[in-house]
Amino acid sequence: NAGVTQTPKFQVLKTGQSMTLQCAQDMNHEYMSWYRQDPGMGLRLIHYSVGAGITDQGEVPNGYNVSRSTTEDFPLRLLSAAPSQTSVYFCASSYPPPRFYGYTFGSGTRLTVV
Amino acid sequence: GIQVEQSPPDLILQEGANSTLRCNFSDSVNNLQWFHQNPWGQLINLFYIPSGTKQNGRLSATTVATERYSLLYISSSQTTDSGVYFCANPPGAGSYQLTFGKGTKLSVIP
Repeated sequence: NAGVTQTPKFQVLKTGQSMTLQCAQDMNHEYMSWYRQDPGMGLRLIHYSVGAGITDQGEVPNGYNVSRSTTEDFPLRLLSAAPSQTSVYFCASSYPPPRFYGYTFGSGTRLTVV
Repeated sequence: GIQVEQSPPDLILQEGANSTLRCNFSDSVNNLQWFHQNPWGQLINLFYIPSGTKQNGRLSATTVATERYSLLYISSSQTTDSGVYFCANPPGAGSYQLTFGKGTKLSVIP
């Protein structure tokens, strides 16, 4: 099915561990983004990409790395997990303008850092 | 950066009632979107509405860009409408990354 696929859906990490959250889309969207959602809050932008090989920081980039080697994939790396990174992570994608009609979101990854 | 204020923060409706949710923005409105996050956490794109009015079934949205606000109307509410409704808007002209409000939590009771 066409859409944005995130894996894993759930993950528990120990403080200091590293991991990669995967995001893949099959809609040939050039724009991709990572957001985190904390309780009682809206989503906050971590990193985004406007095309393969191009990434930029969002509002809360510290502690996260991204790369965009292909149009389809946009992994998010936690370098050394901290309890403050416990959150729900969403990946999103869209066409760039003039075809932009809004973002499609993945189903999320619930991450707990203990 | 742009400030996004949503009201009301919480709303409880009897099934069949109508409601209006509001988003106010501190800066220019463009590429605005409304989302519904269902009780399972999934985010559904409801409307992409940089200006004007759009309707989709029982839901409609209106954005008045010159006055920096957008409204989401829900008519004849159903229990499946429960969840959190977010509006999101990029921080500036020419940007397509989203700044989200904190959401309106809607509970529709039978």
